[in-house]
Amino acid sequence: DAGVIQSPRHEVTEMGQEVTLRCKPISGHDYLFWYRQTMMRGLELLIYFNNNVPIDDSGMPEDRFSAKMPNASFSTLKIQPSEPRDSAVYFCASSEDRGPTNYGYTFGSGTRLTVV
Amino acid sequence: AQSVTQLGSHVSVSEGALVLLRCNYSSSVPPYLFWYVQYPNQGLQLLLKYTSAATLVKGINGFEAEFKKSETSFHLTKPSAHMSDAAEYFCAVSEGGDTGFQKLVFGTGTRLLVSP
Repeated sequence: DAGVIQSPRHEVTEMGQEVTLRCKPISGHDYLFWYRQTMMRGLELLIYFNNNVPIDDSGMPEDRFSAKMPNASFSTLKIQPSEPRDSAVYFCASSEDRGPTNYGYTFGSGTRLTVV
Repeated sequence: AQSVTQLGSHVSVSEGALVLLRCNYSSSVPPYLFWYVQYPNQGLQLLLKYTSAATLVKGINGFEAEFKKSETSFHLTKPSAHMSDAAEYFCAVSEGGDTGFQKLVFGTGTRLLVSP
């Protein structure tokens, strides 16, 4: 298995532009998570899905952020409009349905977003 | 709610020395505990996990951690540091038991520096 695949690896955009981050989870994993990592705030859980359904989006910072999972093999995190304070590394992770806490999460390599 | 505290944002050791990274947890129910490692420009990788079986848990790359309920601790150790161990290490906790899915809560991370 190729693991959790995220694209792009790096994204530089201007303030006000729309940014879309993509994630392909491991086949057969029923949970998908989006995290944001910054020096100031560490790892923050933004949202997670179970069987393509958003379960908890309480970590989404504001309405500029939205996430979708149209099918079991694809998810997007969109920021519109983007702001410099959104600059961070965004990670996607997936986990199996049966006792996900027993198996741990598998993380992608992340997308480093820079908003100028 | 569960939480973890990692003491020391940076730990420096010499190659061949003992590695000790500290993690204390807070949980109202028996926890599941995890250590993850993040190498530069990569995602988080599961190092080891405690899920209420043996209190001494062995992980990859020679690391191990011991669950001590009386001290609410889950410290990570390695007898002899290698240069390749230089990375950031995250402790994480979730509720244990058959309570359904429980998301992981991560600590703020400890950066391990290894000098020749």
